[in-house]
Amino acid sequence: NAGVMQNPRHLVRRRGQEARLRCSPMKGHSHVYWYRQLPEEGLKFMVYLQKENIIDESGMPKERFSAEFPKEGPSILRIQQVVRGDSAAYFCASSPNRDQPQHFGDGTRLSIL
Amino acid sequence: KNEVEQSPQNLTAQEGEFITINCSYSVGISALHWLQQHPGGGIVSLFMLSSGKKKHGRLIATINIQEKHSSLHITASHPRDSAVYICAASPISGGYNKLIFGAGTRLAVHP
Repeated sequence: NAGVMQNPRHLVRRRGQEARLRCSPMKGHSHVYWYRQLPEEGLKFMVYLQKENIIDESGMPKERFSAEFPKEGPSILRIQQVVRGDSAAYFCASSPNRDQPQHFGDGTRLSIL
Repeated sequence: KNEVEQSPQNLTAQEGEFITINCSYSVGISALHWLQQHPGGGIVSLFMLSSGKKKHGRLIATINIQEKHSSLHITASHPRDSAVYICAASPISGGYNKLIFGAGTRLAVHP
């Protein structure tokens, strides 16, 4: 039973490019959460999604960031026109419902040149 | 002041020592989580608790709801326990499992 799968593990982009981070939740999990860990800082909530719905995006920067969790396929965190400050580790977690513990992926380390 | 505070920030121990990491929170919670992050960055959920005490192997987590305080204990510590331990709160106001994280405690256990 595979865990939460994130890819890529490492992603390098130049300023102004787009970054797409993918998250496949555990089988049977329909709740997905994205978190960001800036260098030398703690984890911060970004967005919570259920299949095809964004439930809470209060932690997402207002511009350039978007997330989706389509009916089929992985959840995608998309960052347009990346800047140096977007360099961070992005973690995805999933749970079968909102009251169960979250299972975390290994993260995607995004580096902006 | 952060809503979730951990102490100590860094901790060094000799193999075999008993270790305690503390977490205090200022929000009403539905659950308190302890996570482990290894070098290389993967995160593992250790415990989710809303009352009392839970034990898994050499790890014990306790919570005092009235005092808004939780502790993570490691008995007979081992170098493989070296990691960052993170406390996270699920606030009642969130209505779901939205997490507020502490800054983490970096533990190094030496042989």
